[in-house]
Amino acid sequence: SQTIHQWPATLVQPVGSPLSLECTVEGTSNPNLYWYRQAAGRGLQLLFYSVGIGQISSEVPQNLSASRPQDRQFILSSKKLLLSDSGFYLCAWMQGFVTEAFFGQGTRLTVV
Amino acid sequence: AQTVTQSQPEMSVQEAETVTLSCTYDTSESDYYLFWYKQPPSRQMILVIRQEAYKQQNATENRFSVNFQKAAKSFSLKISDSQLGDAAMYFCAEGMGGADGLTFGKGTHLIIQP
Repeated sequence: SQTIHQWPATLVQPVGSPLSLECTVEGTSNPNLYWYRQAAGRGLQLLFYSVGIGQISSEVPQNLSASRPQDRQFILSSKKLLLSDSGFYLCAWMQGFVTEAFFGQGTRLTVV
Repeated sequence: AQTVTQSQPEMSVQEAETVTLSCTYDTSESDYYLFWYKQPPSRQMILVIRQEAYKQQNATENRFSVNFQKAAKSFSLKISDSQLGDAAMYFCAEGMGGADGLTFGKGTHLIIQP
């Protein structure tokens, strides 16, 4: 069966420090991968999307970047965090244009 | 661009009663899927129910059912015999995956009163 792992679960980082959140999927190949951010009262906002290795699409301009070095690995990064980067980040995968998104357990990021 | 609107930021219901959560959406696609996700305090997103837009029959999953009105672009979730474990944030979502992923509403916080 397919599983998705996301880590770390919580992270407290100072302003200006770098960021690396990692997501891996098991039990499937060539998944579509997504990074979402969940801010209070704003639902889930799509940040990045990837259909394959090295292929990244950004939905909103921001201080963050994403990379996909391997088929089932998706990384969210920042060189210098801002206070506004605080939030709950969710990785998700979908198999092509199929039916539902499967989510990781999320990372709560607090920038201080 | 797709939009999903959940007009109820918070709902409260007595245990064992029935509650309906509202959702409207706007899409230019002719074929799409609609979802309700549950997010308990653990914040793990859990799929509750799914509806294919081309199917007229409303989806049901045990105590959960939807009222899908395609012309009105409405997709409400009915929870029957509410249980304490149903307390969570509920998100309505629409999409086909691909570049847009799923578009989510802002969520409804469901409180179950014992």
